[in-house]
Amino acid sequence: AQKITQTQPGMFVQEKEAVTLDCTYDTSDPSYGLFWYKQPSSGEMIFLIYQGSYDQQNATEGRYSLNFQKARKSANLVISASQLGDSAMYFCAMREGKGTSGTYKYIFGTGTRLKVLA
Amino acid sequence: NAGVTQTPKFRVLKTGQSMTLLCAQDMNHEYMYWYRQDPGMGLRLIHYSVGEGTTAKGEVPDGYNVSRLKKQNFLLGLESAAPSQTSVYFCASSYSPRKGGTDTQYFGPGTRLTVL
Repeated sequence: AQKITQTQPGMFVQEKEAVTLDCTYDTSDPSYGLFWYKQPSSGEMIFLIYQGSYDQQNATEGRYSLNFQKARKSANLVISASQLGDSAMYFCAMREGKGTSGTYKYIFGTGTRLKVLA
Repeated sequence: NAGVTQTPKFRVLKTGQSMTLLCAQDMNHEYMYWYRQDPGMGLRLIHYSVGEGTTAKGEVPDGYNVSRLKKQNFLLGLESAAPSQTSVYFCASSYSPRKGGTDTQYFGPGTRLTVL
């Protein structure tokens, strides 16, 4: 089973509109972290936002917010007031706790390609 | 601060050749990681290190070896390159995960490797 699922391979949004990128995760670990990264066409990976499993409030960073629904195991990224520069690939990622292996696991989703239209 | 740097940026190898990719970070991070990125598959963790002198296997470790002799450096080795190892390789570093903190990973610019 996929640990991180991003069901939208591609999305379009009109400039200045808001867009939600979906991410669901699967873990039995009570302690985990969720991340979103942006990868523009230039190829670098840019950290956007982080949500810890114990955080009571949804994370926000400027125009980015994370809609964290723990019971549904979803961590959707919301981008408000989209800009042309937001066109990129977006990856959801999860860090699970040590578990029986004694080491942490980091898993990335397959990404959603967002295109902002002028 | 340079952040995370990777050397080289591009490389073409013939099947069976060996090479080492170098990752360096100047943020005093405990954790370092090597990922590969293939079309349609996101990033997959190859190996990672939780500190100087320690390494651990990730999701796709076969065909790769790593070493962390110094805290700031993490080397990825391919002993006998195969066409299936054609990919973009990313190095990343972070603080260790801790409750109440964040282990945000900071990525290098990537190395594009082609194995013929």
